[in-house]
Amino acid sequence: AQSVAQPEDQVKVAEGNPLTVKCTYSVSGNPYLFWYVQYPNRGLQFLLKYITGDNLVKGSYGFEAEFNKSQTSFHLKKPSALVSDSALYFCAVRDVFSGGYNKLIFGAGTRLAVHP
Amino acid sequence: NAGVTQTPKFQVLKTGQSMTLQCAQDMNHEYMSWYRQDPGMGLRLIHYSVGAGITDQGEVPNGYNVSRSTTEDFPLRLLSAAPSQTSVYFCASSYGADGNTIYFGEGSWLTVV
Repeated sequence: AQSVAQPEDQVKVAEGNPLTVKCTYSVSGNPYLFWYVQYPNRGLQFLLKYITGDNLVKGSYGFEAEFNKSQTSFHLKKPSALVSDSALYFCAVRDVFSGGYNKLIFGAGTRLAVHP
Repeated sequence: NAGVTQTPKFQVLKTGQSMTLQCAQDMNHEYMSWYRQDPGMGLRLIHYSVGAGITDQGEVPNGYNVSRSTTEDFPLRLLSAAPSQTSVYFCASSYGADGNTIYFGEGSWLTVV
């Protein structure tokens, strides 16, 4: 079965420190992977995606993610966290059994808290 | 740029009432969908549409109806609201091909009492 796991409900980091939000996946074939961010009482905003090519993907707001096929992971990273990065982060993978519809399977989300 | 627009943002319903969540997009996207977000469960697909006049069920369709009379609009109807439908609802749209970025609306917070 296809799935996405975000093993940490919450991640806490100090402002200025590097941050990592973890994501692992299980799909058939080549995965299309996405990261979205949700600020309080707001919709999901697209951060970045991996379709093919370079394993290191750069996205919005200074975030990047590394695709690791052997570990089936797609961890989100940022070299220096900001308090304004505090939000709920979702990892998602394309559903390969969606019959051609562009459908995503989402992880449960990880709440990132950056403290001053 | 408006993107994906949802209304209302907040709504309280009584059990048994019906209502419609409105969704409109101005990006000429063929694909539109509705997801619900519940704590600890990520987002789950309710219904989707691959074009005007075409709709289909997602993972959790029971209690909801949709229609797609135009490319721009994709309303979600709750037929007889139940407390289990208390959730945050997101409308989304994208171009059709796999891997295209899906864009989400701001969300509709619904409470059924």
